[in-house]
Amino acid sequence: DTGVSQDPRHKITKRGQNVTFRCDPISEHNRLYWYRQTLGQGPEFLTYFQNEAQLEKSRLLSDRFSAERPKGSFSTLEIQRTEQGDSAMYLCASSLNGNWETQYFGPGTRLLVL
Amino acid sequence: AQSVTQLGSHVSVSEGALVLLRCNYSSSVPPYLFWYVQYPNQGLQLLLKYTSAATLVKGINGFEAEFKKSETSFHLTKPSAHMSDAAEYFCAVSGGSRTALIFGKGTTLSVSS
Repeated sequence: DTGVSQDPRHKITKRGQNVTFRCDPISEHNRLYWYRQTLGQGPEFLTYFQNEAQLEKSRLLSDRFSAERPKGSFSTLEIQRTEQGDSAMYLCASSLNGNWETQYFGPGTRLLVL
Repeated sequence: AQSVTQLGSHVSVSEGALVLLRCNYSSSVPPYLFWYVQYPNQGLQLLLKYTSAATLVKGINGFEAEFKKSETSFHLTKPSAHMSDAAEYFCAVSGGSRTALIFGKGTTLSVSS
């Protein structure tokens, strides 16, 4: 069990650029979640996948955000035309379908938009 | 709708003292409740969870929490604080769809010697 991994750990970009983050869940986990955490706040849910299907999206996930999990394994989160308000820690978590309430979190990708 | 309120953004205790971190929840469905800990530069780690079984839940590192429906509370306690307990702690409630977790704003625990 190698845990949930995320890449990159840190990303600095200029406003208007596109960025993509990757999450590798624990290998047998079929559920994968994305959360966003801003300074001084708790994580906020963005979206979740069961296998390759994206089953829920929060209102925080604007049209500039897109997430994929093409083969039901790793997932990517892309932000187009980044804005300064996108600066945050992006967290990925995974769980088993039959034990969804035990979510294992990765270390996160910290994004800074200048 | 579901929500969580953590009372006190910062709690300071002495090593060996009781730790009490407060969490109140609101939920339109029977709640699942969680406490997570986050150390600097690390991901969130599940301390314990309540999923409608025993109301007193024991977790890792000596922490426990009690679900009190009448008070809509799920406070986290540890009898004796250790320096290594210094971290940020988050209370969370499950969303109605039993997928997303809804987190509070967190409480930073400081432990002094």
